[in-house]
Amino acid sequence: NAGVTQTPKFQVLKTGQSMTLQCAQDMNHNSMYWYRQDPGMGLRLIYYSASEGTTDKGEVPNGYNVSRLNKREFSLRLESAAPSQTSVYFCASREDSYNEQFFGPGTRLTVL
Amino acid sequence: EDQVTQSPEALRLQEGESSSLNCSYTVSGLRGLFWYRQDPGKGPEFLFTLYSAGEEKEKERLKATLTKKESFLHITAPKPEDSATYLCAAPYSGGGADGLTFGKGTHLIIQP
Repeated sequence: NAGVTQTPKFQVLKTGQSMTLQCAQDMNHNSMYWYRQDPGMGLRLIYYSASEGTTDKGEVPNGYNVSRLNKREFSLRLESAAPSQTSVYFCASREDSYNEQFFGPGTRLTVL
Repeated sequence: EDQVTQSPEALRLQEGESSSLNCSYTVSGLRGLFWYRQDPGKGPEFLFTLYSAGEEKEKERLKATLTKKESFLHITAPKPEDSATYLCAAPYSGGGADGLTFGKGTHLIIQP
């Protein structure tokens, strides 16, 4: 099992460019999550999908959109990147609300 | 407001010198307290979940405990390979997002 995989590992964008971060899990988990991690801020929830076909906003959703493509895949889109979105992005999944979340390796994004 | 606070922010120990990391939380209706380990450039790795006051869990040199207001991660006779950032997290309280709110972490360095 690969667990949670994320692509790309690194990305540099210019202000105003768009991109999609990809996430996939092979554990047959129902719930998937996107977090961002900034120095001194800890991990913060951007969006989540409690089950296939549903998505909801987390703590810091502004400037992002998500798509739960199927049970395995959950993508995060930046329509018009801003320097404030420079961060490390982690995708996570879990079986249900009472279980631990498993995290991917992260995508390090820099917006110039 | 849900809050998870970790202390100290950083801790430097000699190999074999035992210590404890603290995680205090103000989350109503706690549905689990999670500990993760994060190595530089990697995603958080799950360590423990604690569900009720008085519960304890152990893994190698680590033991996690939970009271009604805080959790401790005890490290006994640590080795250099225990160096990492340790994260504490709790689910958002009822009516909030289905995800985890994280503390800022304790950066632990074990010197040989």
